[in-house]
Amino acid sequence: LAKTTQPISMDSYEGQEVNITCSHNNIATNDYITWYQQFPSQGPRFIIQGYKTKVTNEVASLFIPADRKSSTLSLPRVSLSDTAVYYCLVGDVYNRKLIWGLGTSLAVNP
Amino acid sequence: GAGVSQSPRYKVAKRGQDVALRCDPISGHVSLFWYQQALGQGPEFLTYFQNEAQLDKSGLPSDRFFAERPEGSVSTLKIQRTQQEDSAVYLCASSLALQFGNTIYFGEGSWLTVV
Repeated sequence: LAKTTQPISMDSYEGQEVNITCSHNNIATNDYITWYQQFPSQGPRFIIQGYKTKVTNEVASLFIPADRKSSTLSLPRVSLSDTAVYYCLVGDVYNRKLIWGLGTSLAVNP
Repeated sequence: GAGVSQSPRYKVAKRGQDVALRCDPISGHVSLFWYQQALGQGPEFLTYFQNEAQLDKSGLPSDRFFAERPEGSVSTLKIQRTQQEDSAVYLCASSLALQFGNTIYFGEGSWLTVV
């Protein structure tokens, strides 16, 4: 199972774009990259998932270079409500279990 | 239902009590997972079901932990003779099927405090 490395914490301000980069040097061919957001006292919430290149949805973009050894979650124009822990996970459902790290604690300041 | 539903949301148990945590996955989801999350940590895998079959229980920390999904929908995680170290959030998650790239959706969790 691929291990991921991401910053423990980040600070930003309202209205800024936030980019959180995750390293996953041992990613396997069948692995997808998935990002989750978790607020205190809540379960993780799916944000975005990708395999290669760029994926965009209504809340975020995910950039994956050709070698797939890293990925960057981009949150446009963050607000205070984006303050949360963001987890990068690498794996696929055939593995049946995902390895979760400590995530990145994002603090958005006014 | 619209999402993964878990109950109870909060549970306080006296040490030595048995507890049962219920998970109602998204309708039609074949795969069901249980995770344990300690304060300040990421979730840790406990067990996995495909329909009613428990295909992986390698993450269950001891034989006091037991999970079942008898009809392939609702699942129950049971913890016998609870200990203080069992205090954590227990997350249930479900996925449509074991297919490439399928997303896993989580419930809000059941917060267990053992006193």
